[in-house]
Amino acid sequence: EAQVTQNPRYLITVTGKKLTVTCSQNMNHEYMSWYRQDPGLGLRQIYYSMNVEVTDKGDVPEGYKVSRKEKRNFPLILESPSPNQTSLYFCASSFNQGNHEQYFGPGTRLTVT
Amino acid sequence: TQLLEQSPQFLSIQEGENLTVYCNSSSVFSSLQWYRQEPGEGPVLLVTVVTGGEVKKLKRLTFQFGDARKDSSLHITAAQPGDTGLYLCAGADNYGQNFVFGPGTRLSVLP
Repeated sequence: EAQVTQNPRYLITVTGKKLTVTCSQNMNHEYMSWYRQDPGLGLRQIYYSMNVEVTDKGDVPEGYKVSRKEKRNFPLILESPSPNQTSLYFCASSFNQGNHEQYFGPGTRLTVT
Repeated sequence: TQLLEQSPQFLSIQEGENLTVYCNSSSVFSSLQWYRQEPGEGPVLLVTVVTGGEVKKLKRLTFQFGDARKDSSLHITAAQPGDTGLYLCAGADNYGQNFVFGPGTRLSVLP
């Protein structure tokens, strides 16, 4: 089944404790992206990657890092999480940057206390 | 910064009614997508519109892209309870790299 998977689905952590949210897609997509969704603000793009070893900042990249060492994986790293990073996070992928149809993962709900 | 606005923010209607939701911006987008999101799940793509003035139909859903590629509308005919959800529009920049999402229209269709 073609899909985007994220882990974990739920995470409660404390301020400053490094964490990684994994994202994997099995569709051989070149383009991958991370979003956060907050009430009243909609989905905001954090980082995106057009291909292996090519990443770029979205609209809200502060406090986040990403890497794209393999085509299928695009982990989101929070080196020192803060309470304002409490949010619902989505990973998405599309065939390439010319194809704008994104497939989303199920989401990761992160709470930072 | 490109921004997308959606209206109405909330909509509650009876089964069988028609409705239209709007997605507006002052910016031009190379394409615009509509997604539906249900609680606890990620957004699911409904349609992509690319050409100014384009109209696409998906069963009871009709999507239109404005002539200037700055706005779009989604019209649902004879709404059903299964149409309930959060409807999101998203615009792609000219390079297809950066995506902007509207805040969404939360639709509730009552039986």
